[in-house]
Amino acid sequence: KQEVTQIPAALSVPEGENLVLNCSFTDSAIYNLQWFRQDPGKGLTSLLLIQSSQREQTSGRLNASLDKSSGRSTLYIAASQPGDSATYLCAVMDSSYKLIFGSGTRLLVRP
Amino acid sequence: DAGVIQSPRHEVTEMGQEVTLRCKPISGHDYLFWYRQTMMRGLELLIYFNNNVPIDDSGMPEDRFSAKMPNASFSTLKIQPSEPRDSAVYFCASSLSPLGTAIYLGTYEQYFGPGTRLTVT
Repeated sequence: KQEVTQIPAALSVPEGENLVLNCSFTDSAIYNLQWFRQDPGKGLTSLLLIQSSQREQTSGRLNASLDKSSGRSTLYIAASQPGDSATYLCAVMDSSYKLIFGSGTRLLVRP
Repeated sequence: DAGVIQSPRHEVTEMGQEVTLRCKPISGHDYLFWYRQTMMRGLELLIYFNNNVPIDDSGMPEDRFSAKMPNASFSTLKIQPSEPRDSAVYFCASSLSPLGTAIYLGTYEQYFGPGTRLTVT
C-alpha cells in the first residue's frame, strides 16, 4: 500500500529565506507526483506536476525534484514571502491512477 | 473558466438526516473525483468518474455514501443517514484526459473545487 510522508509537519521561517519541503513515498510505481498548496478554508491549488519520467519541474520561485528510485521529492521555494504561507501537500498517482496524499507541511513565512 | 464549483460551501445537519453535496466540473474535463479531508485521515479519494461512469468507488466508506454523475456538468455525493463521524471537508476535482483513457490521468493535473465543510451534530 502506497504511503506518503511529508517532513517537517510545520515550518516557520523569516521572509527572504530559501527553504526545502520534503516528501517521501513507499512504492516507486507511480505515474506522477504533484505538489499542491492549500490556504485555510480553501481548496487545493496545483503548483507543480512531475511525470514519472521527469526529474524536476520549475515554476517561478518554485522548483520540485523527483527521485523515483529512492522514493523522494523536494519542493524548493526561493526567497520566501509572507504570501507563501500555506499548507503544502505532496501527492503521488499510484498504479491504479489514484492520488495518494501526504499529511502536508504548514509553512509560515514571518515578515 | 470559473473552475470547479461546489455547493453548498457549508452544511450543518443533525445526525440521521440526508445530506447532498453538489459539484460542477470544469467544462470539457472528463474525469471527476470526490475526496474527503479530515484531521485524522488527511485527504482521501472516495470515488472517481470517467465520462459520467463510476470507475473506482473503493474509497467510499460505507453504504450510507453514494455518488452519481447524471451528465458531464454535474455530480452529487449523498450521505444517508448522516453521522457525526462524517464531519469533514468534501472536495470535488476534475481532470482532462486527451484520449479518454485512464493511463493519461498521469499527464494532466487535477483541479480542485473550494470544498464543502460538513458538520453533523
